[in-house]
Amino acid sequence: DAGITQSPRYKITETGRQVTLMCHQTWSHSYMFWYRQDLGHGLRLIYYSAAADITDKGEVPDGYVVSRSKTENFPLTLESATRSQTSVYFCASGADGSRGYTFGSGTRLTVV
Amino acid sequence: QKEVEQDPGPLSVPEGAIVSLNCTYSNSAFQYFMWYRQYSRKGPELLMYTYSSGNKEDGRFTAQVDKSSKYISLFIRDSQPSDSATYLCAMISGGTSYGKLTFGQGTILTVHP
Repeated sequence: DAGITQSPRYKITETGRQVTLMCHQTWSHSYMFWYRQDLGHGLRLIYYSAAADITDKGEVPDGYVVSRSKTENFPLTLESATRSQTSVYFCASGADGSRGYTFGSGTRLTVV
Repeated sequence: QKEVEQDPGPLSVPEGAIVSLNCTYSNSAFQYFMWYRQYSRKGPELLMYTYSSGNKEDGRFTAQVDKSSKYISLFIRDSQPSDSATYLCAMISGGTSYGKLTFGQGTILTVHP
């Protein structure tokens, strides 16, 4: 199916564990993004990528790692999860900036 | 100071009202301007995008950009209960951060019958 897919939809993990959130898009879009959304903070950019093997930090990158070896995938890894990383995570992709970006359905992560 | 400031709301209006949502920005490098709508427990959905100053209309929605004042607005005419959602302004950078998308805080809109 064409589109942008995030997995898992829901995840509960323990403090200190490593967890990876997946994002896959089928359009071969150049740009991909990871945001987190928290009450009172809106959508905050974690990392973004302009192309395969090119990534850049956003507003809140600490504690997160990304990689982009293939154009269609942009995984986000929490190296050692903390309770403050409990959030809803959204991935987005787009060809360029001129027509905006398409968002996935989100991953709801709870760190206990 | 945040690069994008959005009137926080919340906003509650009767059905049929005209709604005005507003954002200001400080970064002159912003090139593209858009509005997203987000329903509860869903991802943001692109509503409108534009890159030039002036108005752009799409059905009941009008996006307005004033680059000289660094101000954008979204107007919703004949608002419907189905318009109840969070509305987010967003802007895309040019220059060395080309493509980076920055959001406002969002405004929660409720349209009551």
